[in-house]
Order: sequence, then structure tokens, then C-alpha cells
Amino acid sequence: EDEVVETGGGLVQVGGSLRLSCEGFGFAVCGNYMTWVRQAPGRGLEWVSIVYDRGDSYYADSVKGRFTFSRDCPTNTVVLQMNSLRVEDTGMYYCAKVNWNYGLGVWFDPWGLGTLVTVSS
Amino acid sequence: EIVMTQSPATLSASPGERATLSCRASQSISSDLAWYQQKPGQPPRLLIYGASTRATGIPARFTGSGSGTEFALTISTLQSEDFAVYFCQQYKNWPPFTFGPGTIVDLK
Repeated sequence: EDEVVETGGGLVQVGGSLRLSCEGFGFAVCGNYMTWVRQAPGRGLEWVSIVYDRGDSYYADSVKGRFTFSRDCPTNTVVLQMNSLRVEDTGMYYCAKVNWNYGLGVWFDPWGLGTLVTVSS
Repeated sequence: EIVMTQSPATLSASPGERATLSCRASQSISSDLAWYQQKPGQPPRLLIYGASTRATGIPARFTGSGSGTEFALTISTLQSEDFAVYFCQQYKNWPPFTFGPGTIVDLK
């Protein structure tokens, strides 16, 4: 059964950086699309970024230019490098495997338990 | 960007009742819609994709329907473990993927 586990969250000041990691189990992260979704405390879900199996990545406008989503294939890990952090980046960050089917589309499963990022002013 | 809305914001119901949650897209997304369930302190869990296909292990009491701009998630007979928040998500035009604000299903 596929599983993902996130690490790397913590408390950081405005303008600082954090590096989130997501390790895949039971599948190859470099053979799949992977994504990050975040959730501010008590709020809904916000898509953050996706990396394709080819390695190219796309970002929400809210993080474009500040976050970088990359892969480390030998360790079966994807990494979200977050720079110039803002208070509004605070939240739980979830990593998920992206499943794709030509007829049925794209969905996120499984999700990790998440890692909490707190940006303080 | 496609905007997703959900109604009601909160649905209060009792175990054994039927619950119907609605999701609307700002433009047609065909059947490119997923539903997720989230319980407090847990990550979202995939329920439905392709608007109506249940994910592996999801009980038959969960049914997704709709296409175009109007979608519904029906829980035929609410069980105690179904009280949670439900999010819809479109994947017609991505990136970005967009989620609805969620519907809370709580105990009446």
C-alpha cells in the first residue's frame, strides 16, 4: 500500500526559510506526479504545487517565486523549499501522490499526515 | 481560475439520516471532480473521483453524482464515523487545482 510521510515543519520568522520533505513508500516518487496542499488553521484546503514525473513543476500564484518543488530520486523523496516566508504561509502542509487516469482524470491519494509550518512576525 | 462553492456550509443531521452535499463550479468541469473527507486532526481522505467513482475501500453509502457545473455527494445512511468536513475539488483546468470551502456534517 502506498504511503507518504512529511517532515521538516517548524517555527520560523517572517522572511525565513524552511525545507519540507516527503518520502514515498511502496511507489517511486520520480515515476509519479506529486503535490503539496496546505491548510491554514481552521480553514479550507489550498493547492500549493505539483511536480510532474518529468521533473517540471508548477505553483499557486500565492507561492510562485518563493517556493521550489524538487525531487531526490535516490532517496525517493520530494522536497518543498520555502523561502521568503510570510505569516499567511502558516498552516499544515500535506504531501500527496497524484493519480492519473486518461478517462477519469486526476486525484490525490494517499495523503500524508502533514507537517506544521508556523511563520511568526 | 475555476471557483468552487459548496452548500450548505454546515449540515446538521442524525445517524441513520440521508445527507446530500452540493458543490458548484464557476464553469463547466465535465466530470473532473473529486470529493474528500476530513476528520479533526487527520489529513483529507479521497472518497470519490471522476464525479462518481468511489475510491478503494469507500463504503457504498457514499454516492457522487453530477456533471458540468452541479455536483452532489450523498451519504445514504449516516454513520457516526461520517461526521466530518467534506471538500470538493476540480481538476478540469489545472494548475491550479481548486477546492471548495467545505461542508461540515455535524451531529444534530
